[in-house]
Amino acid sequence: SQKIEQNSEALNIQEGKTATLTCNYTNYSPAYLQWYRQDPGRGPVFLLLIRENEKEKRKERLKVTFDTTLKQSLFHITASQPADSATYLCASPNNQGGKLIFGQGTELSVKP
Amino acid sequence: EADIYQTPRYLVIGTGKKITLECSQTMGHDKMYWYQQDPGMELHLIHYSYGVNSTEKGDLSSESTVSRIRTEHFPLTLESARPSHTSQYLCASSEDLGTGGREAFFGQGTRLTVV
Repeated sequence: SQKIEQNSEALNIQEGKTATLTCNYTNYSPAYLQWYRQDPGRGPVFLLLIRENEKEKRKERLKVTFDTTLKQSLFHITASQPADSATYLCASPNNQGGKLIFGQGTELSVKP
Repeated sequence: EADIYQTPRYLVIGTGKKITLECSQTMGHDKMYWYQQDPGMELHLIHYSYGVNSTEKGDLSSESTVSRIRTEHFPLTLESARPSHTSQYLCASSEDLGTGGREAFFGQGTRLTVV
């Protein structure tokens, strides 16, 4: 079945460092991948979208890459801040009607 | 701030009761979705709609039902709530979740507890 997998282990980093989160997909080829941020008790908020023909996308301190050979997307937060602490979700449309499916998310904790 | 609203935010209800979770959006989006999310777990799609009078089941089996009589409104109903229905329910909408690649806007969610 089509699946998105993220590292379920929480990522703990020091303020100012770069956080790198991984998203792997299996059994399909998404036209694009999306990244969302989710804070406890709230709905996800869209951050970035990268299409299959794009290698890299940037927005302020955020950078996303898309490697169709490795079937992987990397999400980077540079100069991380405690306010970046949240769960980050990877999502993409599946090949059955384009329904948006999500990975389980990676919890990021940035320590001051 | 996204213009998609869910009510109630929190609901504690007894077993066997009928409940309706409300979801409304003012963005004119055709696509609307319901996801179920347990704490620390991934979002599972339980219902989706491509437009008025169009609803389909998602990948995760759910005993809930939905309706889409108006573009802006996508309520979810549980005819007889059970403790196994305890979860967070998230509603989302989008202009296009196909190859167009538009983002989904989520409501704040409804935290349902069935006792």
